[in-house]
Amino acid sequence: SQQGEEDPQALSIQEGENATMNCSYKTSINNLQWYRQNSGRGLVHLILIRSNEREKHSGRLRVTLDTSKKSSSLLITASRAADTASYFCATANAGGTSYGKLTFGQGTILTVHP
Amino acid sequence: GAGVSQSPRYKVAKRGQDVALRCDPISGHVSLFWYQQALGQGPEFLTYFQNEAQLDKSGLPSDRFFAERPEGSVSTLKIQRTQQEDSAVYLCASSSGGAGASYEQYFGPGTRLTVT
Repeated sequence: SQQGEEDPQALSIQEGENATMNCSYKTSINNLQWYRQNSGRGLVHLILIRSNEREKHSGRLRVTLDTSKKSSSLLITASRAADTASYFCATANAGGTSYGKLTFGQGTILTVHP
Repeated sequence: GAGVSQSPRYKVAKRGQDVALRCDPISGHVSLFWYQQALGQGPEFLTYFQNEAQLDKSGLPSDRFFAERPEGSVSTLKIQRTQQEDSAVYLCASSSGGAGASYEQYFGPGTRLTVT
């Protein structure tokens, strides 16, 4: 079963605009990861944020984590047409028998128009 | 190779046939995961290997699904007597961390299975 919800389910913006996607989850986590998926390259890891971190940056990506609200957001700044893809959040649960397996959300489909 | 590879990339099976899906992880990666992704959904966990040991198979949907990694590198996911609901993309991922560690996972391109 899916861990939680992502919203919006679909997002359509113009090149140069910022895109924000949100993710909520249900259980205690060790870390939360964001992945991008498009038909050409499969699932690509974007960024990992641990449960004791609140914000992380990587290039044009900014991720926040609020463990009290069990939510995370991914901000892509100055979007490009090449950012068009599906974006998934995935959580790795706390606890010794989780083995680092990931529980994914439903994903947000981002379309960036040139 | 530089990344995780999977074969075949596409497989069409008649209902009732057995299929075998192969995964070649990144060399030296201890952990190997299999996920199933239905159309329009996020991937769902199937099973986990640390080296050759299958430590978690809680996500396998039925006893028709079987996975192995006999030498701790290449893994095979086998589905017996395929059903239409088995149609999905099967993703393999590897990670350098061992059991209990949480590292980024590197995914293969997937095998798209269609059962007719």
